[in-house]
Amino acid sequence: EPEVTQTPSHQVTQMGQEVILRCVPISNHLYFYWYRQILGQKVEFLVSFYNNEISEKSEIFDDQFSVERPDGSNFTLKIRSTKLEDSAMYFCASGVIGGKNTEAFFGQGTRLTVV
Amino acid sequence: KNQVEQSPQSLIILEGKNCTLQCNYTVSPFSNLRWYKQDTGRGPVSLTIMTFSENTKSNGRYTATLDADTKQSSLHITASQLSDSASYICVVSARITGGGNKLTFGTGTQLKVEL
Repeated sequence: EPEVTQTPSHQVTQMGQEVILRCVPISNHLYFYWYRQILGQKVEFLVSFYNNEISEKSEIFDDQFSVERPDGSNFTLKIRSTKLEDSAMYFCASGVIGGKNTEAFFGQGTRLTVV
Repeated sequence: KNQVEQSPQSLIILEGKNCTLQCNYTVSPFSNLRWYKQDTGRGPVSLTIMTFSENTKSNGRYTATLDADTKQSSLHITASQLSDSASYICVVSARITGGGNKLTFGTGTQLKVEL
């Protein structure tokens, strides 16, 4: 069964460093998303991406964050100058083109730890 | 502001028993409502998805209901199993103008099934 794949599963980085979280969405999907979940808290929307551009972003997704689909298969989230409070699980999701029943399939997440 | 509230926050039941989880939401423009199961440290997995016109939807031992007038939903689990122990998250989707859906997550109900 096709699935969304995220790498790495766990990333430890020093405060102030840049990290890139990688995602391979399901191959025929056209809508891509990043969500994050701080430990013990609910999942929060970060950004949606369609047709090679951001279609919506949350207030969390500030200039520190950027997304890219560099090669038609990968979908990346870059976090510049990481802060301690960026420590969280980051989930990538993708969905097929379609109406309001578009399903979002989630990857297993990347646990980011900023030290 | 879009919000999804769930109750109870946590629940412990004996194996074989039934339980019902509740969800209230204020999300606009409403597109659909989903229930996800999330195991600790894993990505959310979809259980059901319902549009405005659907009152109930079943997936095996899971039955979800939706009352779009009162903006309430419930997830009923029958004949619980130990493997049902997880966080159950109510997620409401709003259509994004640029394409795709923005998901607003509830905080989840942590269910523990015991022998």
